[in-house]
Amino acid sequence: DTEVTQTPKHLVMGMTNKKSLKCEQHMGHRAMYWYKQKAKKPPELMFVYSYEKLSINESVPSRFSPECPNSSLLNLHLHALQPEDSALYLCASSQQTRYYEQYFGPGTRLTVT
Amino acid sequence: AQKVTQAQTEISVVEKEDVTLDCVYETRDTTYYLFWYKQPPSGELVFLIRRNSFDEQNEISGRYSWNFQKSTSSFNFTITASQVVDSAVYFCALSRGSQGNLIFGKGTKLSVKP
Repeated sequence: DTEVTQTPKHLVMGMTNKKSLKCEQHMGHRAMYWYKQKAKKPPELMFVYSYEKLSINESVPSRFSPECPNSSLLNLHLHALQPEDSALYLCASSQQTRYYEQYFGPGTRLTVT
Repeated sequence: AQKVTQAQTEISVVEKEDVTLDCVYETRDTTYYLFWYKQPPSGELVFLIRRNSFDEQNEISGRYSWNFQKSTSSFNFTITASQVVDSAVYFCALSRGSQGNLIFGKGTKLSVKP
């Protein structure tokens, strides 16, 4: 089973709201990722967790706050977002970080109003 | 510098035609991996293939085939007898360093018309 699940599928939030995106995998993978994808662009890496520790933060603004409560779960906490943060947010996992294929979830389509 | 170039922005074919999607990469690493992903309109990226830098054998999976040539730094993807369900954006990607970051090309949008 190569399934990564993400909730919610769609999210509309105001600029003052706080919300969270959730991602779950049960493949025993030890690396998990958050990507942001704008329309007609490739995914852009935001964060990498390896063995539940944050290993990469690609200079993401602090209004995005990742959390990895355990090896199967990854959250992305959102606060005081801007309209330009509207995008598809993709979660992915891989066996480990180095050279393994990443399996992606269906994404959360976020609209900031 | 590491980079992936997919020069074809959009390709349109008629069903049953063969189509090749080009991917050219740049890297100074001797060990690296290349990937292809498919992103249908639903949005989810679907993993298609992983190839390491030491294995230049071509690979075939059903109607899909991949041609890896280190001499030209290319990893091209061919769909034989295309079908409407093949319509999607296809991304070529290169693994980056020990952290496993993927460097994506800009993608090629394939439209297969009945």
